[in-house]
Amino acid sequence: GAGVSQSPRYKVAKRGQDVALRCDPISGHVSLFWYQQALGQGPEFLTYFQNEAQLDKSGLPSDRFFAERPEGSVSTLKIQRTQQEDSAVYLCASSGAISYNEQFFGPGTRLTVL
Amino acid sequence: GENVEQHPSTLSVQEGDSAVIKCTYSDSASNYFPWYKQELGKGPQLIIDIRSNVGEKKDQRIAVTLNKTAKHFSLHITETQPEDSAVYFCAASKKNFGNEKLTFGTGTRLTIIP
Repeated sequence: GAGVSQSPRYKVAKRGQDVALRCDPISGHVSLFWYQQALGQGPEFLTYFQNEAQLDKSGLPSDRFFAERPEGSVSTLKIQRTQQEDSAVYLCASSGAISYNEQFFGPGTRLTVL
Repeated sequence: GENVEQHPSTLSVQEGDSAVIKCTYSDSASNYFPWYKQELGKGPQLIIDIRSNVGEKKDQRIAVTLNKTAKHFSLHITETQPEDSAVYFCAASKKNFGNEKLTFGTGTRLTIIP
């Protein structure tokens, strides 16, 4: 399909483990966003990429969170030493231009930290 | 930063009746207001959006109104159908050289009663 894909769809980690979440944006989309959605809440902004440049990481909750998009397409969100409060759905969105455009969301990765 | 409040948190409507969801925002610089529908296990899907130079926009059974002075905007769904049952989120953003990160409301769970 031509939509945003994310993998894995579900991830269970033991507290203290590292995890890596992958996002494949729509081909050719310049902008890529990561959001965190806690249960029963709206998504909250984590970080933004324009091509390979990470231009805003103001929403990352701690230095345990790290994101990259080395070739300007696929992005990975890494969480080190996971904590229970990291349990959430992590959503990736992409948009096609450097100007107001609809953000297309992927299905998300549900992370559960035990 | 921007703060978006959304009401009600739950809404039950008889099939065929109308549903209205309201949001307020705090940042007068915000100028883009999308509405997303999220079904269980899926990512948010844009259903309609409005920019600050427009007061109202309609797309078939869905309409959005914006009052910039009062800093509030509303979603109206007419002739509701069972497939309209989902969680709806409002959001706000401002033009920022591509980094139009969205600030979401807390969501409204809409249930259509057959």
